[in-house]
Amino acid sequence: GENVEQHPSTLSVQEGDSAVIKCTYSDSASNYFPWYKQELGKRPQLIIDIRSNVGEKKDQRIAVTLNKTAKHFSLHITETQPEDSAVYFCAASAANAGKSTFGDGTTLTVKP
Amino acid sequence: EAEVAQSPRYKITEKSQAVAFWCDPISGHATLYWYRQILGQGPELLVQFQDESVVDDSQLPKDRFSAERLKGVDSTLKIQPAELGDSAMYLCASSTQYNEQFFGPGTRLTVL
Repeated sequence: GENVEQHPSTLSVQEGDSAVIKCTYSDSASNYFPWYKQELGKRPQLIIDIRSNVGEKKDQRIAVTLNKTAKHFSLHITETQPEDSAVYFCAASAANAGKSTFGDGTTLTVKP
Repeated sequence: EAEVAQSPRYKITEKSQAVAFWCDPISGHATLYWYRQILGQGPELLVQFQDESVVDDSQLPKDRFSAERLKGVDSTLKIQPAELGDSAMYLCASSTQYNEQFFGPGTRLTVL
């Protein structure tokens, strides 16, 4: 089955700095890679995703890059703000199968 | 904006008792997922439905857990008997045909 590893497990940055979270996956059949943000006590919320036919996708201050050859993808947050503080999860799944395997999460703390 | 609904939000039970959780997905979402999330970890898939059919229950402890989605809409997850190790957050999610998953608020289960 799919195995997703996520690093780092914790990340602390100063407000305004950039943050990068990386994930690797094992199943070459995976072709859908979402990122979720989970605030304390709340549900995971999809913030951005990327499919295997695209190398990069941006949405305002967040971007995701995908390297299919190396089987890794990354979340980039620029100009971080205190409200970006949360746990971020990556996931990988094969299209139409739907089953997502999640990483163990990265706790991001943005210091004002 | 449509959301996935879950109830109850919190459940405290004693070991060996039976518990049941309910999920109502976003209207029109054919795929429904039940996840278990232990504190500090990513969600782990327990069971996935496509309409009323189970498409993946490989990680469901079938000796004590059961899930159903009789009419292909809402779903129930049951644990009988509950064990101390079942204490966790149980998340329901539903997805579009494009794999974008939307999570419910979860049920926090505590087994005493």
